[in-house]
Amino acid sequence: SQQGEEDPQALSIQEGENATMNCSYKTSINNLQWYRQNSGRGLVHLILIRSNEREKHSGRLRVTLDTSKKSSSLLITASRAADTASYFCVNSGAGSYQLTFGKGTKLSVIP
Amino acid sequence: GAGVSQSPSNKVTEKGKDVELRCDPISGHTALYWYRQSLGQGLEFLIYFQGNSAPDKSGLPSDRFSAERTGGSVSTLTIQRTQQEDSAVYLCASSLMIRDEQFFGPGTRLTVL
Repeated sequence: SQQGEEDPQALSIQEGENATMNCSYKTSINNLQWYRQNSGRGLVHLILIRSNEREKHSGRLRVTLDTSKKSSSLLITASRAADTASYFCVNSGAGSYQLTFGKGTKLSVIP
Repeated sequence: GAGVSQSPSNKVTEKGKDVELRCDPISGHTALYWYRQSLGQGLEFLIYFQGNSAPDKSGLPSDRFSAERTGGSVSTLTIQRTQQEDSAVYLCASSLMIRDEQFFGPGTRLTVL
């Protein structure tokens, strides 16, 4: 399965704090993508990190990838209430094109 | 530019009826994907199309589900003889190429009574 498994399942923080979410995967990787889903904006792509990259930044987002441990982390700095959402990682594997989303990390940012 | 659009946004049907769900991908995107999301669950991959290649149907839950993509653009997901367990939000996404970032539509909420 190319399903990413997000950890923790739920995370609650105060506005302004940083939030870190982790993802583990089992199969070989082509790239790993992070998505966000909330009731207002649906499912939105956040960032893509390729297998030959170790770290990537986009605004307040920082993603790391450790292919030796088959893991990735998403860091959101200076969180805002609008960051409240579920976050998913997706392993776009080097083999099958089938993509599978896990149950995600549910982030709650308290104003 | 226009994003991925889906229609209808909501569909209520009776058990045993057939339904058709439509997806208009972003113009120029060669890859199109269908997923479904049941209440409180993650996304379940159903099928994807890449260019003119035969679709990967490995995620379809049963032979009651089928999908086609006409002219490499619009796609239709058909569910025959709907069952109550088919109730879910059906999401369509497209990407420029396979494995690129996916742009999702707003989804079709299907309720089977």
